[in-house]
Order: sequence, then C-alpha cells, then structure tokens
Amino acid sequence: DVQLVESGGGLVQPGGSLRLSCAASGFGLYNHYMGWVRQAPGKGLEWVGRSRNERNGGTSEYAASVKGRFTVSRDDSTNSVYLQMTSLKTEDTAVYYCVRGGYCSGATCSSFDNWGQGTLVTVS
Amino acid sequence: QSALTQPASVSGSPGQSITISCTGTSSDVGRYIVVSWYQQHPGKAPKLLIFEVTKRPSGVSSRFSGSKSGNTASLTISGLQPEDEADYYCCSYAGDSTYVFGTGTLVTVL
Repeated sequence: DVQLVESGGGLVQPGGSLRLSCAASGFGLYNHYMGWVRQAPGKGLEWVGRSRNERNGGTSEYAASVKGRFTVSRDDSTNSVYLQMTSLKTEDTAVYYCVRGGYCSGATCSSFDNWGQGTLVTVS
Repeated sequence: QSALTQPASVSGSPGQSITISCTGTSSDVGRYIVVSWYQQHPGKAPKLLIFEVTKRPSGVSSRFSGSKSGNTASLTISGLQPEDEADYYCCSYAGDSTYVFGTGTLVTVL
C-alpha cells in the first residue's frame, strides 16, 4: 500500500525556518512527481509546490505565495521528499500535506492521488 | 491566482442527488482537462474522487461523477448517503506548472 508520512512540523517564530520531511513507501519515488499542499486552520486547500522526477527534468515549481522562500527537494535513494521553508510568515501557519502526483507528464499531473496525514506548522 | 469558486454548502436527503459547482476562468478550468475533486472528512486528509474531469480512481464509488462545461466543473453525488457528509474541493491546473484549488463545499446529509 502507498503510504506518505510527514514529520518536522512545530512552532516557529516569524522570519524563522523549518524543514518538513515526507517518508514514502509502497512505491518508487523515482517514478513520480511529489509535492506539498497546505491547509490553514479552518480554511481551504492551497497548492504549495512540487518536484518533478528525474526522467522529467527533476525541476521544482512553486505557488506565487511561497516562491523564493520555500524549496521542495527529494532523495529518491531513500524515498524521501522535503519542504524547506524560510522567512516564515504568520500566514504560513497550516497543516502541510505531502502529496503524490498521479499520471504526470511534462507540466501536468492529472491529480494528487495519495496524501499523507499532514503535519502542523505554526508560525507565531 | 484566485481560488476557484464553489458554493459554501450544499445539502440533500439520503438517496437524493446533489451537484457541486466549481467555477474558474478560461485560464484554468476552461482551458484544461486537468480538473480533479477531493473529499475531506473532519480531521482527515483529503481523498481523490475524480481526475481529468470525469475519471474515477479504482475503489471510488460510481455514485460520484464529474463533468465540465466552459469555465465550470461539477461534481454530482447520486444516492446521497450519510457517509458522504464532508468537505469537497475541486482543483484545476492553472498553467505555468501551477495548480489552484476551489474554496470548498460542505455537504450536509439531512
């Protein structure tokens, strides 16, 4: 079974940094785009960013709200995905979900077909 | 990129059908078939229901169906059941390797 397990959330002061991790199992990371989606308390979902697999260039793309501050990276050898967050703002407070891209080719993925349970980041 | 517009809430009685709309623009929903829908129960992670406008992943009930017309995508739940009570989100590819989610709809089973 596909499983995504996030860790690394916690309380951080504005302007601080935090690194989230996502341990993937049940599939080979090298075959998939991986990304992050967040949800502020009581609010809706927001796409944060993603990392393409090596076969599709290995590049990363971001939402405008986090571009230049957040970095998505991956280690296919350990089946892990990371979200490095810097210059954190209070509005970055949210549950962060690790997601797997489904049926990805070029710039698009048809969906986010598997989600982790999320990890809470509080910026205060 | 503004969030796609969904009704805040939709309700129905058990056995009825309901439809949730998701309105975007010609730059997202209207331009791409990369529209998906997610169900989220309280305190849980979202679950994929529909991808590429109309397709269902294996294991998702056939009571869930999707469609699109112009800049608006729709999710229909047929034969509404108590366990369908949840939040529902649409999502569209928005160009330049970015995605936009809908504002979310709370479905209440009366």
